[in-house]
Amino acid sequence: QKEVEQDPGPLSVPEGAIVSLNCTYSNSAFQYFMWYRQYSRKGPELLMYTYSSGNKEDGRFTAQVDKSSKYISLFIRDSQPSDSATYLCAAAYNTNAGKSTFGDGTTLTVKP
Amino acid sequence: EPEVTQTPSHQVTQMGQEVILRCVPISNHLYFYWYRQILGQKVEFLVSFYNNEISEKSEIFDDQFSVERPDGSNFTLKIRSTKLEDSAMYFCAGARDTEAFFGQGTRLTVV
Repeated sequence: QKEVEQDPGPLSVPEGAIVSLNCTYSNSAFQYFMWYRQYSRKGPELLMYTYSSGNKEDGRFTAQVDKSSKYISLFIRDSQPSDSATYLCAAAYNTNAGKSTFGDGTTLTVKP
Repeated sequence: EPEVTQTPSHQVTQMGQEVILRCVPISNHLYFYWYRQILGQKVEFLVSFYNNEISEKSEIFDDQFSVERPDGSNFTLKIRSTKLEDSAMYFCAGARDTEAFFGQGTRLTVV
């Protein structure tokens, strides 16, 4: 069983749609949960991180973690074509994001 | 805005050759990492480095890999004898606390 599993996609939505990206994880020792955005042939760019369970909002992006169900979500409101990228969820045991374990990524296309 | 820089952006090498991938982390970072991403696959942790020593490594990081921070700024990954399956994007990352900042990567092609 993979430690972090991500809905594979790809996902294609019209501009302005609400996007939901989801991951599950198996290791209950994970405490930090991150979402990265990766454009083609570029490095991952940290969007948000969340500690333990709860919600975190940053502009059009909301990250949710439910540790009871080991479920991680990222919501994008009013999606834009510039949001088109691969989104990676990741989980880590400790505060320095040390050994982050990544999901496979979901490729999102937002059509104008 | 400071960023993690990696050189070269693309390296082609023959199987069996040694390669050194270079990274210049952001100056106030304390933790340093190497990850790799084989084309079409997930980002995989290789090694973390703190206080001038390896703090954790994955099973991928075997004896052919080594890391150094020789001069307090550069952070290098050496692959001693490259294999075809080492072809991948290699990402350096740095962190001060929770947020890890990734470089743009070095694409290594072993032929």
